[in-house]
Amino acid sequence: RKEVEQDPGPFNVPEGATVAFNCTYSNSASQSFFWYRQDCRKEPKLLMSVYSSGNEDGRFTAQLNRASQYISLLIRDSKLSDSATYLCVVNPAGTALIFGKGTTLSVSS
Amino acid sequence: GAVVSQHPSRVICKSGTSVKIECRSLDFQATTMFWYRQFPKQSLMLMATSNEGSKATYEQGVEKDKFLINHASLTLSTLTVTSAHPEDSSFYICSARGEGGVRTQYFGPGTRLTVL
Repeated sequence: RKEVEQDPGPFNVPEGATVAFNCTYSNSASQSFFWYRQDCRKEPKLLMSVYSSGNEDGRFTAQLNRASQYISLLIRDSKLSDSATYLCVVNPAGTALIFGKGTTLSVSS
Repeated sequence: GAVVSQHPSRVICKSGTSVKIECRSLDFQATTMFWYRQFPKQSLMLMATSNEGSKATYEQGVEKDKFLINHASLTLSTLTVTSAHPEDSSFYICSARGEGGVRTQYFGPGTRLTVL
């Protein structure tokens, strides 16, 4: 089983749509969780951290369920500029970040 | 935010040559640096972790004699791909982590290596 699994997509949505991405991780000892965004041929950039209590940053909401080892990202009112690959990332016990393969989002007008 | 630079951003070389990639943390001291590799449509795969002044720790399946890592200072780490072959063509990304732990980890812009 892969350490971090994501649906690769692509998700093709119109502007204004709400889209949700899911991710599961295998290491129950993982301590930190993140969503990164990666644009084509660029480095990944931190989008937001993920907490059990859930956290929201503008149109983005992230949620963590430790019991089921599941992480989600919700994007509301999608913009064209949201088109990118979204990487689910976990950090087991302070070691290196472990990346999922990413979910590709394409927002069209 | 903190900045991590990589040089070169792109390199094309002939099979059999060695290529050195530099990773620098520009405005903070990186206690740990990580090297990742990303093939098209694949996730970033950790190659090795290096701490300043000590030997790098390589992930399983990564040849330490082929991918030489030097972390000589708190702001510089280098990755040398020795005797590069076409299958080494990939996007190499470094990441530097400061004393604040994972929340002070920043990625370089990556180096695209093409081996002919």
